[in-house]
Amino acid sequence: EVQLLESGGGLVQPGGSLRLSCAASGFTFSSYAMSWVRQAPGKGLEWVSCITDSGGSTYSADSVKGRFIISRDKSKKTLYLQMNSLRAEDTALYYCAKMVGTGTGRAFDIWGQGTMVTVSS
Amino acid sequence: QSALTQPASVSGSPGQSITISCTGTSSDVGGYNYVSWYQHHPGKAPKLMIYDVSNRPSGVSNRFSGSKSGNTASLTISGLQTEDEADYYCSSYTRSTTLVFGGGTKLTVL
Repeated sequence: EVQLLESGGGLVQPGGSLRLSCAASGFTFSSYAMSWVRQAPGKGLEWVSCITDSGGSTYSADSVKGRFIISRDKSKKTLYLQMNSLRAEDTALYYCAKMVGTGTGRAFDIWGQGTMVTVSS
Repeated sequence: QSALTQPASVSGSPGQSITISCTGTSSDVGGYNYVSWYQHHPGKAPKLMIYDVSNRPSGVSNRFSGSKSGNTASLTISGLQTEDEADYYCSSYTRSTTLVFGGGTKLTVL
């Protein structure tokens, strides 16, 4: 069964850091681009960042550029999101999503259940 | 990276058809055939319904169809069923090599 399982969310103070993980199973992890998408409470979906199948290229939304870093570990079949300089507006449910094909532009075809990040003092 | 424009809500009766629009610009929706649509029931993971403007993933009902004209993409759901009640989001690739979502549309099946 194709599955994505996020972890690492929690409560963090403004300015703090957190690393999210997403364990993949049921498909050839190294063959697909991956993304993080978030949803703030009561708001819509917002694309955060994506990484190519090889990990050689990454792209991020302006709202997180310079603060969040996406990476992947082929041997562990795991996607990561290192979040630094966190702000209250980063409070959201963070989803890990597999992308259609090797590129980063088409669609998100498999989603995890999400991990909640709350930034508050 | 402005969000794509979707109506906040649409409604229909069981058996009817509805269409949700998704308006962008020539830098996203109008410039690429990489528009996708997602169904999101509260508390569950979003589900891909349409990709590459009009392709349905395996397992998605053929009651769901997608199209595009200029800078506006559309999702049509025919033969509405109560289980179709959910939030729907469009997404598009952009010229900036990023992705952008629409604001979401709440579908109510009366």
